[in-house]
Amino acid sequence: EAGVAQSPRYKIIEKRQSVAFWCNPISGHATLYWYQQILGQGPKLLIQFQNNGVVDDSQLPKDRFSAERLKGVDSTLKIQPAKLEDSAVYLCASSIRQGIIETQYFGPGTRLLVL
Amino acid sequence: GDSVTQMEGPVTLSEEAFLTINCTYTATGYPSLFWYVQYPGEGLQLLLKATKADDKGSNKGFEATYRKETTSFHLEKGSVQVSDSAVYFCALSEMAAGNKLTFGGGTRVLVKP
Repeated sequence: EAGVAQSPRYKIIEKRQSVAFWCNPISGHATLYWYQQILGQGPKLLIQFQNNGVVDDSQLPKDRFSAERLKGVDSTLKIQPAKLEDSAVYLCASSIRQGIIETQYFGPGTRLLVL
Repeated sequence: GDSVTQMEGPVTLSEEAFLTINCTYTATGYPSLFWYVQYPGEGLQLLLKATKADDKGSNKGFEATYRKETTSFHLEKGSVQVSDSAVYFCALSEMAAGNKLTFGGGTRVLVKP
């Protein structure tokens, strides 16, 4: 079974530029998450989708970040304009319920450096 | 709100040594508990999980027991290898919170030959 795919793997941009990340979840996984992982910290949830609807975007900086999940499958996360503090790894995860537990599986991440 | 606290690293060990990484949590309900591992340059991989009190998760020689009375989920391995060098994250999720994961800060483990 293919895992969660993300692209690009690395991106370097200058502040105030825009950037977009793409995620393809595991086939059949209805729930998709975007996390931000700043160096030396644990990941923090940015947004959660159930199919193509938003479940939780309370931690998404909506003045600069946006995300969508087209047709309930692939998702894109955009930052416009980027700030220096956006330098981080952006992780996409998808999940499936197995019994009473919802287990999340992560992609390799996109490492963003804002100069 | 929910939170996870784990011991700070780095933890440096020799091969075949015993590893313990402490993890405690605060949750409003009855969470599921997880350990994820992150190898250099890679995403997070699920290592093990537990869903209720006294459950023991195990995988690749690692074990952790869900202790409700002490709100802990400590990770242990009896004999580490160089290949176990990685960052380990303790995490919890609650159904009432949409099953989002709340992570600890991570513990870097370095195993020397």
